[in-house]
Amino acid sequence: GDSVTQMEGPVTLSEEAFLTINCTYTATGYPSLFWYVQYPGEGLQLLLKATKADDKGSNKGFEATYRKETTSFHLEKGSVQVSDSAVYFCALSPTGNQFYFGTGTSLTVIP
Amino acid sequence: ETGVTQSPTHLIKTRGQHVTLRCSPISGHKSVSWYQQALGQGPQFIFQYYREEENGRGNFPPRFSGLQFPNYSSELNVNALELDDSALYLCASSFETYGYTFGSGTRLTVV
Repeated sequence: GDSVTQMEGPVTLSEEAFLTINCTYTATGYPSLFWYVQYPGEGLQLLLKATKADDKGSNKGFEATYRKETTSFHLEKGSVQVSDSAVYFCALSPTGNQFYFGTGTSLTVIP
Repeated sequence: ETGVTQSPTHLIKTRGQHVTLRCSPISGHKSVSWYQQALGQGPQFIFQYYREEENGRGNFPPRFSGLQFPNYSSELNVNALELDDSALYLCASSFETYGYTFGSGTRLTVV
């Protein structure tokens, strides 16, 4: 079945460090891929998305490229800030009416 | 634009009781989905409603049921509560069946 595997955390980085959170997926068709962010005590916020192979989603300095050949959608940011501290979820949606989420990666950025 | 509104924000129930959670979608959104997020896990799809009809269901037992009303608001009902039902319940809405916005969730504790 469809599933997402993402890098386990927690991840701790210094401010201005480079961030990579790995995400790989298994899907029978051609799903859309997403990264969501969850701040403490809040719901999920869409960070970025890509709907087909080779698409690059980007937002707020974060980027991820839909790689069909490696079934991956790794999240990257060149210079993290303290305000980026949150839990990040990779997700796929094969049909648009259901999301499959990874287990989440907790990121803490220290000044 | 008002976001997705969920109520209550927190509640505590006793094992065996019944609970009703409520969700008001963004104005004009016709689709509502419900997710269960256990502590430290990614959200798991419960079901989706579109124009008052169930339009997909995840791997949850029948004691999890739902409704969508003509104004597109929705309820999640859980009967015979179990300790493992303790989780954050997230509602998400969409104009059609794609591009979901999540609410902040209802934190349910079963004791």
